[in-house]
Amino acid sequence: DGGITQSPKYLFRKEGQNVTLSCEQNLNHDAMYWYRQDPGQGLRLIYYSQIVNDFQKGDIAEGYSVSREKKESFPLTVTSAQKNPTAFYLCASSIVVGQPQHFGDGTRLSIL
Amino acid sequence: AQKITQTQPGMFVQEKEAVTLDCTYDTSDPSYGLFWYKQPSSGEMIFLIYQGSYDQQNATEGRYSLNFQKARKSANLVISASQLGDSAMYFCAMRERNTGNQFYFGTGTSLTVIP
Repeated sequence: DGGITQSPKYLFRKEGQNVTLSCEQNLNHDAMYWYRQDPGQGLRLIYYSQIVNDFQKGDIAEGYSVSREKKESFPLTVTSAQKNPTAFYLCASSIVVGQPQHFGDGTRLSIL
Repeated sequence: AQKITQTQPGMFVQEKEAVTLDCTYDTSDPSYGLFWYKQPSSGEMIFLIYQGSYDQQNATEGRYSLNFQKARKSANLVISASQLGDSAMYFCAMRERNTGNQFYFGTGTSLTVIP
């Protein structure tokens, strides 16, 4: 089945630690995205990538980093500079930017 | 200013009845798209329906229809014949060409279908 796989489902971070969230898609989509969702809120864009080896900052990129070395993969690193990382993180992809996005099941990140 | 406004934090509907979820948007870009997504308690976001700013007809997908009123900048989602499985959060979203087709999401409406 084609789709988007996010791992892990739950992740815990210690103070001062970087953690990386995985996102893999087999839909052959060019565009990929990372969103953050806080309780009672909509989604906010962290980073997006239109094509391999290219990515742009979204509205809340500070404290996060990404890479897009392969079409299928768009990992998100939550760095120690992100002071309030506890949230639900959703990865998405679309054929090209602007088309309907397909989402993974999300990763819930908490601080220990 | 908020680009997407959903004013109904929670809605209830009787099973088999129709329900309308409100969404208003703010843009000066003539080229934009409007989307609705469903988020069950499990967390994944499910794409439901899309309306382009130049589309003349209201979009429909099965039991979902989008009531697009361009002059009023509203894009309400209508769910007909509600089912228990429709209970979820519903998010309205917009993308604008002049911001690189970035998506903006509303804060969502929680829908509960009552048997």
